[in-house]
Formats: sequence, structure tokens, C-alpha cells
Amino acid sequence: QKEVEQDPGPLSVPEGAIVSLNCTYSNSAFQYFMWYRQYSRKGPELLMYTYSSGNKEDGRFTAQVDKSSKYISLFIRDSQPSDSATYLCATSISNFGNEKLTFGTGTRLTIIP
Amino acid sequence: NAGVTQTPKFQVLKTGQSMTLQCAQDMNHNSMYWYRQDPGMGLRLIYYSASEGTTDKGEVPNGYNVSRLNKREFSLRLESAAPSQTSVYFCASSGETGYTDTQYFGPGTRLTVL
Repeated sequence: QKEVEQDPGPLSVPEGAIVSLNCTYSNSAFQYFMWYRQYSRKGPELLMYTYSSGNKEDGRFTAQVDKSSKYISLFIRDSQPSDSATYLCATSISNFGNEKLTFGTGTRLTIIP
Repeated sequence: NAGVTQTPKFQVLKTGQSMTLQCAQDMNHNSMYWYRQDPGMGLRLIYYSASEGTTDKGEVPNGYNVSRLNKREFSLRLESAAPSQTSVYFCASSGETGYTDTQYFGPGTRLTVL
């Protein structure tokens, strides 16, 4: 069993819809949770970062962590065609500069104009 | 400020050939990483370097070697390439101790081994 599981999709939604992307993880020691966005033929870039349980909002994006169920979510409101990308969740045990990340496999998202 | 740069962008090798993938960062980061990305497998860590002069194995190190040449540069070497090493390779770096481990990725090297 992988430490972080993510539905690979693909997921297609119409422009303006609310998108929900999800991951589950198995290691209860994970405390830091990230979402990376990867455009086609590009490297991943950090989109959202949260610590422990709770919500974090940044514009149209909301990251949610439920440590009791080991569930990570990313919500995108008013989705735009420019949001079409692969979204990868990632976790780590600590936030020290050399801590390794454990990635999900990524969900490919397409927003249809 | 170029961030993380990788060379080459594309490469085709024959089985048994060797090559070195180059990575450099200009953000004064201590830690650097090499990943491979394959369909359905996600990003898998090959090797990482927590600081200049140190390297450690990640999840899939077999068939690879690395060199942390200085604080800026971290190279990945394939001594005898195999078709199973066909993949997209990403280099990443991350910053100061005590800060959240935001990893900054390069644009990737697409490698095909025939």
C-alpha cells in the first residue's frame, strides 16, 4: 500500500464549477500537507501548504486536512480553463529544510470552457 | 533569478550508454533532490542531498549515482542505461532549516532509453 493514495482521474468539469480533489494517507506521523500544480511538460510548483488539521484559503483555492480520517482535500471555486493541470498532494513529517516529501500520483484535471 | 535549471531537456540513449543529468539552483538552498516521474507512479525520490558534501538514497536509487559538486549543483549519473530508466527526471531544491519544506522544481529532463 502506498503511503499516499490519490485518484489519478482524469477529471473533467465545466468552467465555473467547484472542483474537489482528494488524497488519503496512511502514516499518522505526517503533519505537513501540500498541494502542487503541474502544467503539461513543466515541473511541479507549490500551490498550497497546511500544517496539521484545518482549512487554509488562498483566493479560489481551499486546502483542507482531516487528520482523524487521514484525508486531504483541495477545493477550487469558480474553476477556470487555466486551472487545467495535474494536481499532486504531498506530505512530510516535519518542516525542517531537508525533510523528504511523499507524493501522491497526481490527478489530471481539465476545465472545459 | 533562474530558480532551478536542468540540462539537457531531452535525451535519447541506447541501452548500456551512460550520461549525466545536470542541475543547478541559484536560491542558495541547502537541500537538493532528484526525482523520476512515471505514469501511474507519481514522483519517486531517487537521491537527495541535505547539504553540500552529503548525499543519501531515496526510494529508487538502483542504477543511479549522484554528486553534490557544490552548494549550487547536483548531478545525476546513469552508468549503464536500461529501458526501465525511461522517464522524466526532475531536480528540486529546498531552503533554510526550520522553514517549511517548499521544494522548487526544475523543468525536467525527458529521457528515453532504447
